[in-house]
Amino acid sequence: KNEVEQSPQNLTAQEGEFITINCSYSVGISALHWLQQHPGGGIVSLFMLSSGKKKHGRLIATINIQEKHSSLHITASHPRDSAVYICAVRFGNDMRFGAGTRLTVKP
Amino acid sequence: DGGITQSPKYLFRKEGQNVTLSCEQNLNHDAMYWYRQDPGQGLRLIYYSQIVNDFQKGDIAEGYSVSREKKESFPLTVTSAQKNPTAFYLCASSIGLTGGTDTQYFGPGTRLTVL
Repeated sequence: KNEVEQSPQNLTAQEGEFITINCSYSVGISALHWLQQHPGGGIVSLFMLSSGKKKHGRLIATINIQEKHSSLHITASHPRDSAVYICAVRFGNDMRFGAGTRLTVKP
Repeated sequence: DGGITQSPKYLFRKEGQNVTLSCEQNLNHDAMYWYRQDPGQGLRLIYYSQIVNDFQKGDIAEGYSVSREKKESFPLTVTSAQKNPTAFYLCASSIGLTGGTDTQYFGPGTRLTVL
């Protein structure tokens, strides 16, 4: 079993829809990261969370440490949000990555 | 512009050849990492370095080698011993390995194809 599981694997939405991507993990962590990978392959860090909730523009990330679960929400989705979203968890000096959620937002 | 660069973007090599992937950062970061990404899988750590002249094996180091002679540079050599080298390789850096609070900054990646 992977230490980091993401769902769904693939997600297609219409422009304007509210998007939720989920991440569950099985180890005690010091931080959780949400990353965005563009079609060309480059990765950008969106959030780093150790508790609670963070918001940046239309993106919101939450984490529940007790339940070992995090969600990434996108409000008013846009075609430019189309990318692979990756959840990664840090414990000690190790980092483990989910397989990613491929989001396609259609106009 | 501060950032992390990788070259080349696409690389083709014949079976049995060694090849070196470049990674350079001007962020003054102590820690650098190499990851491999395969379709449908999460990134997997190949090697990491916390400081110049020191590096540690990650989860899948077999068939790879690295050096860290300068703070800015962390090249990865894919040797002929790597059984399945075709993949997308990502380099990253962070301020330091402080146990979980550092953000990693990623390069654009190199796609290696073995012919």
